Amino acid sequence: KAGVTQTPRYLIKTRGQQVTLSCSPISGHRSVSWYQQTPGQGLQFLFEYFSETQRNKGNFPGRFSGRQFSNSRSEMNVSTLELGDSALYLCASSLFSTPSTGEQFFGPGTRLTVL
Amino acid sequence: AQSVTQLDSQVPVFEEAPVELRCNYSSSVSVYLFWYVQYPNQGLQLLLKYLSGSTLVKGINGFEAEFNKSQTSFHLRKPSVHISDTAEYFCAVSLLTGNQFYFGTGTSLTVIP
Repeated sequence: KAGVTQTPRYLIKTRGQQVTLSCSPISGHRSVSWYQQTPGQGLQFLFEYFSETQRNKGNFPGRFSGRQFSNSRSEMNVSTLELGDSALYLCASSLFSTPSTGEQFFGPGTRLTVL
Repeated sequence: AQSVTQLDSQVPVFEEAPVELRCNYSSSVSVYLFWYVQYPNQGLQLLLKYLSGSTLVKGINGFEAEFNKSQTSFHLRKPSVHISDTAEYFCAVSLLTGNQFYFGTGTSLTVIP
């Protein structure tokens, strides 16, 4: 089975631009979660989608948004980029939406650099 | 609210020596507990998890962890480390009801030949 794939792997943007990141979960997985990883803050939860519905949301400003499609692929969007948005964005997928029913599998991440 | 504290940001250890990576958590509700490993330029890989039952859990690559409810700790141990264990290790908790994970800031384990 193919793992979680994220595209693109690397992105360079400038302040004020917007960006869209994509995540394809493992086939059959219906839950997709997004995390931001930075050296100072570590891994922080952004949001989780299950069957096209946002189930949980972390403490991030409204500039961060996401969606999930009927094939479980997910996108996250960041508008009006700031320097502090530079980070590794990780996507994780699992079969169901509770940790007891299945493991979360992480993708390799998208490295976003904001200049 | 939930929080996870990894007490050591960096841990150097000689090859074949034992290692313990410490993790403490705070939560007002019951949580599940996890340890993940991240190798350079890769995503996170699950080492082990505690959902319920025996407080000593065994994971991949010879790692194990013990859940201590009274001390709210979930320390990771390995009796003999290898060079290939050099990586970043993350402790995490999740709510029982959803895939919302709270991670510690990570411990960088460096195994010295």
